Order: sequence, then structure tokens, then C-alpha cells
Amino acid sequence: GDSVTQMEGPVTLSEEAFLTINCTYTATGYPSLFWYVQYPGEGLQLLLKATKADDKGSNKGFEATYRKETTSFHLEKGSVQVSDSAVYFCALGTGNQFYFGTGTSLTVIP
Amino acid sequence: NAGVTQTPKFQVLKTGQSMTLQCAQDMNHEYMSWYRQDPGMGLRLIHYSVGAGITDQGEVPNGYNVSRSTTEDFPLRLLSAAPSQTSVYFCASSYGGVGSYEQYFGPGTRLTVT
Repeated sequence: GDSVTQMEGPVTLSEEAFLTINCTYTATGYPSLFWYVQYPGEGLQLLLKATKADDKGSNKGFEATYRKETTSFHLEKGSVQVSDSAVYFCALGTGNQFYFGTGTSLTVIP
Repeated sequence: NAGVTQTPKFQVLKTGQSMTLQCAQDMNHEYMSWYRQDPGMGLRLIHYSVGAGITDQGEVPNGYNVSRSTTEDFPLRLLSAAPSQTSVYFCASSYGGVGSYEQYFGPGTRLTVT
């Protein structure tokens, strides 16, 4: 069945470091791919999305490119800030079904 | 707009008790869904609805019932709570199918079953 595999955490980075969180997927059809972020004590918020192969989603300095050939949707940011500390979820949506990865906790230290 | 609201925020149940988790949205979204979040498992879809009167099962539906009598409300019922249902529950809504549209999440309900 459809699924998402996400890089395990936790990840700790210094402020201004480069961030990569790996995400790969398995899907039988043509899914849309998403990154959601969860700040402490809150629900999830959409960070970015891509709906077809080679699309790049971007928001708040974060980027991810939908790569069909490697079935990947890795999240990157060039320079992280303390305020980026959160849990990041890769997700796959197809039809009316939605699948989340297990989440990667990111802590950014000053 | 209040967005997606959930009540209660916290709940403790004994094994075998029943309860209903409430979810409401004021964005006139057709699609609503319930997820549970467990450590190391991410979020898993329990049930979803594509409109009033229409519901369907997600990945982990056993032990839960839903109904959708209005566009705004989508309650989740636990008929006989079990310790395995200890989790954080999130309700979400979206304008259309989750394959394409952003989902808006409520703040969550933390449920403990003893």
C-alpha cells in the first residue's frame, strides 16, 4: 500500500546551519506530497506541498522537490533559526486517503 | 473564524467507558477527518467524511464510530474505550480531497484510557 518513510530524529542543529530531512514514498498512483510542521502543544500546519513530479514547494525559506525517479520529497532550508524548532511530518495524499511519516523532531540551538 | 475546534482538550476514561470527541469547523469545508497521533507512529487516519451524510474508513477505524449530520460537525465516538486507544486525537478539515487541498488541524484532544 501507499506509505511514507521519513528520516528518524531527533535532529539538533546550530542556528544558521543547513537543514535536510529525508523523505521517501511508496505509491501506486500519482499522489500529492506535503510537509506539515507541528510546534509544541499545537496542531499541524501545512508548510509546503507539491502536486506533481518536478514541482518544487517552498515557504518560509523551506523547499522540497517532488522527485518521481527517486520517489523522494526531501525538506531543505539553507539557514535554520531557533524559531524553526518543531516536529516536521512528510505526508502523501491520494484521493481521500492521507498518510503521514513518523515525524522528525528538530531543535535549533543559538 | 475560529477554524477547527475540538473539545475536550484532555480526557481520562476507564476501560469500557464510552465518550464522544467533538469537532467543528466554520470554514464550510466539505472534507473532514480524524487522526490519532502515537509516539513513533506519526498520525494515522481513523475515519473521514467527504460531506454531510457520507463517511468512510481510514487506516485504523476499529473501535471508533463517526457520523456527519451537518457540514460543520464531525464527532468521533468511542463505544467501549480500551487502553490501546490512549492517544492524541486530531480533527482536520479541507476544502476538497486531501490529495490536493491543504488540511486545517484542530488543537487536539489528549485521551488517556486506564
